[in-house]
Amino acid sequence: EAQVTQNPRYLITVTGKKLTVTCSQNMNHEYMSWYRQDPGLGLRQIYYSMNVEATDKGDVPEGYKVSRKEKRNFPLILESPSPNQTSLYFCASSLSAGMNTEAFFGQGTRLTVV
Amino acid sequence: ILNVEQSPQSLHVQEGDSTNFTCSFPSSNFYALHWYRWETAKSPEALFVMTLNGDEKKKGRISATLNTKEGYSYLYIKGSQPEDSATYLCALGRFDYKLSFGAGTTVTVRA
Repeated sequence: EAQVTQNPRYLITVTGKKLTVTCSQNMNHEYMSWYRQDPGLGLRQIYYSMNVEATDKGDVPEGYKVSRKEKRNFPLILESPSPNQTSLYFCASSLSAGMNTEAFFGQGTRLTVV
Repeated sequence: ILNVEQSPQSLHVQEGDSTNFTCSFPSSNFYALHWYRWETAKSPEALFVMTLNGDEKKKGRISATLNTKEGYSYLYIKGSQPEDSATYLCALGRFDYKLSFGAGTTVTVRA
């Protein structure tokens, strides 16, 4: 089954404790991205990747890191989480970076930083 | 950042009635316009991707139009059913390889 898989689904952590949210897709998609969703706001893009070893900042990259060492995986790293990073996070992938192909979303990760 | 606005923020519709809502954006300088459907506790799923002025797409009872000259897209739901209850997200695919989302329109269909 074609899918984007994120883990974990839920995470509660403390300020400053490094964490990684994993994302994997099995569709051989070139483009992958991370979004955060906060009440009253649209999904905001954190980072994106157009292919292996090609990553770039989205609209809200501060406090986050990513890597793309393999085509299927695109982990999101919070080196020193803070309470303002409490949010619902989505990973997504698309066939190409042309922006005219639909995005496939993971199940979401609800992160709480206390 | 392209400012994508969706209106209304929420709406209630009686089962069997038709409804529509709007996505508006400030310019035609984007690659594509996307619509997604997001049900509670699930992940957003693509409905349509449109690129050309005048594009019209249809999937079952749901359809969408795109007017790039005047800066809007409409999503229509014909004969609403309870399973249409969801948040509908509009997004612009930008030339800088980013996707800008609106805040969504939440539709509640009352039986």
